This record gives sequence, C-alpha cells and structure tokens, in this order.
Amino acid sequence: NAGVTQTPKFQVLKTGQSMTLQCAQDMNHNSMYWYRQDPGMGLRLIYYSASEGTTDKGEVPNGYNVSRLNKREFSLRLESAAPSQTSVYFCASSGAAGLPYEQYFGPGTRLTVT
Amino acid sequence: AQKVTQAQTEISVVEKEDVTLDCVYETRDTTYYLFWYKQPPSGELVFLIRRNSFDEQNEISGRYSWNFQKSTSSFNFTITASQVVDSAVYFCALSEGAGGSYIPTFGRGTSLIVHP
Repeated sequence: NAGVTQTPKFQVLKTGQSMTLQCAQDMNHNSMYWYRQDPGMGLRLIYYSASEGTTDKGEVPNGYNVSRLNKREFSLRLESAAPSQTSVYFCASSGAAGLPYEQYFGPGTRLTVT
Repeated sequence: AQKVTQAQTEISVVEKEDVTLDCVYETRDTTYYLFWYKQPPSGELVFLIRRNSFDEQNEISGRYSWNFQKSTSSFNFTITASQVVDSAVYFCALSEGAGGSYIPTFGRGTSLIVHP
C-alpha cells in the first residue's frame, strides 16, 4: 500500500498564481486533513474533512480552499498565492470521523512563493 | 481550548546518552488522547504512540518509553541509549472530544540531534 501520497513534491509560484495540491490515501480512511508546517510553528491545521462530503476550517484557512473529491482524495487550492504561503504542506488521513485515531501523513509538498 | 507545550526547542546529545523530551498539555476535557510523532530528516511524520486519559500506565517499546502523569499534565518521552538514527523532530499532540471532532493540536516540536 502506498499510504498517503501527495503531488507535487516541490513547487515554486509567483505571487498571484494559483495551484492545487493533490492528496490521496488508499487506507479507506474517512477523515483527511491539510496542515502547513513553518519553522518553529509546528503543524497548523488548514482544513479538514471528517468524512466524504464534508469539509471544515482549521486554524489557518484564509487564502485556501479544499475539495473532498471522493473518499480517497482531498485537494488544497491556493487561488492567489502570497509569499506568506511559503511553507511545507502535509496531507494526513485517519480512520474514522469523531474518533481519536492516529494520523498517517504524506511526504509533504514544499511550496515557495516569490 | 486545548494546548500543547514542548518547551525544548532543540536538544543535542552524544550517542548512547539517555534523553527525555517534555510535553505539557492543557485541556478541560476528562476524556482526551495524547500522541507522539517523529519527523526524521526525510520529512514524513510517523506515528509513535497514542495514550488515552484513563490509562496512566507507562509504556515501553524497545529503547522508547513514555511517562504519562495527569497530576502534572505531562506526557514525556524518553529515549534510552540514543542513536544517530533517533535524530529527528518529535511532536506531541493532544486530541479532545469537545464537539466530537477529536481534531489534534500539535506542539511546536523538539528537534533532537544525536551526535556520533
């Protein structure tokens, strides 16, 4: 099993450009998450999807949108990238909504906005 | 609101030393869950352990051990006889069930450097 996969691994954008980060999991998990990791800040939740068909804002949702395309896939979109969105983005999944299961993480996407 | 504090930003040790990574949490819930994750230099976070608030037994897994103390709201992680491969950033996380979401809150992480 591949677990959680993310594409792309690296991306450089210019201010104002848009892009979509893709995430897929093959563990039949119900819940999926998008985090950003900045130096000294730990992991901050951007959006999550407790189950297929639902999405909710996390701690830092401004400037982002998400789509839970189906049970396997959860994408993150930057409509107009800003330098403040330079970060490493992680997608994660966990077993069931409303239960405190551990999370499984993808390899991350390193995004630079110039 | 839940909160996780990892006061140690970076720890540097020499191989074979024992090292303890501290984690202090805040929550108003009586039911909650604590986690530790490891992020090696390759970047991908890996789950290490989960404990629930009703189980204060210490856990040992090889060279790793965890000390959960509700009285001090701490869930500390000890690596015995550290090795270079233990070099990583370690995150403590807390999930509480308020609202039924169990969305975890992560600490800022502790970077452990083990020198040969």
